Amino acid sequence: NAGVTQTPKFQVLKTGQSMTLQCAQDMNHNSMYWYRQDPGMGLRLIYYSASEGTTDKGEVPNGYNVSRLNKREFSLRLESAAPSQTSVYFCASSEDSNTGELFFGEGSRLTVL
Amino acid sequence: KQEVTQIPAALSVPEGENLVLNCSFTDSAIYNLQWFRQDPGKGLTSLLLIQSSQREQTSGRLNASLDKSSGRSTLYIAASQPGDSATYLCAVTDSWGKLQFGAGTQVVVTP
Repeated sequence: NAGVTQTPKFQVLKTGQSMTLQCAQDMNHNSMYWYRQDPGMGLRLIYYSASEGTTDKGEVPNGYNVSRLNKREFSLRLESAAPSQTSVYFCASSEDSNTGELFFGEGSRLTVL
Repeated sequence: KQEVTQIPAALSVPEGENLVLNCSFTDSAIYNLQWFRQDPGKGLTSLLLIQSSQREQTSGRLNASLDKSSGRSTLYIAASQPGDSATYLCAVTDSWGKLQFGAGTQVVVTP
């Protein structure tokens, strides 16, 4: 059982380049999330999708877009990468957005030069 | 806005000692509280989930308590082992359905 799978695991970009982080879960969860983790800042929510067909902004959405492609997949896109977006990105899912246990992927380490 | 605090930020104990990790939150109107473990370079692994109506949860050597009225949760790890070395994070789901994380407690268990 794979759980939550993220790709790529590592990526280096130049300022201004674009890229998409992919996330898929095989637990039939309704809710999916994208977080970033930075030293001294902890985990911060970028965007979330409470259910298929809906997306909402989290704490730090600027510079990002998301797509809930179907129930399994939730992608995060950086249209024009900036050095401030250097971070470790985590995708997570839960059965529902209020009471469900949260399951995380292994993370994607992104460096923007 | 919900604020989640974990003290201490780091903790070192000899093998065999019990670990006590603290988490406090400012707004008692929560849906649940979850404890996670994170190993270096890895994602977060869920350890225990306590719903707002519960007072504690147990799994093996782990026990977590929840006191909503005082805004506190404590994670106890009995008879610590070197393999318990990791960062432990708590997170609360607030009344808006948003998860708020603490900064974590980095634990080192020395043989």
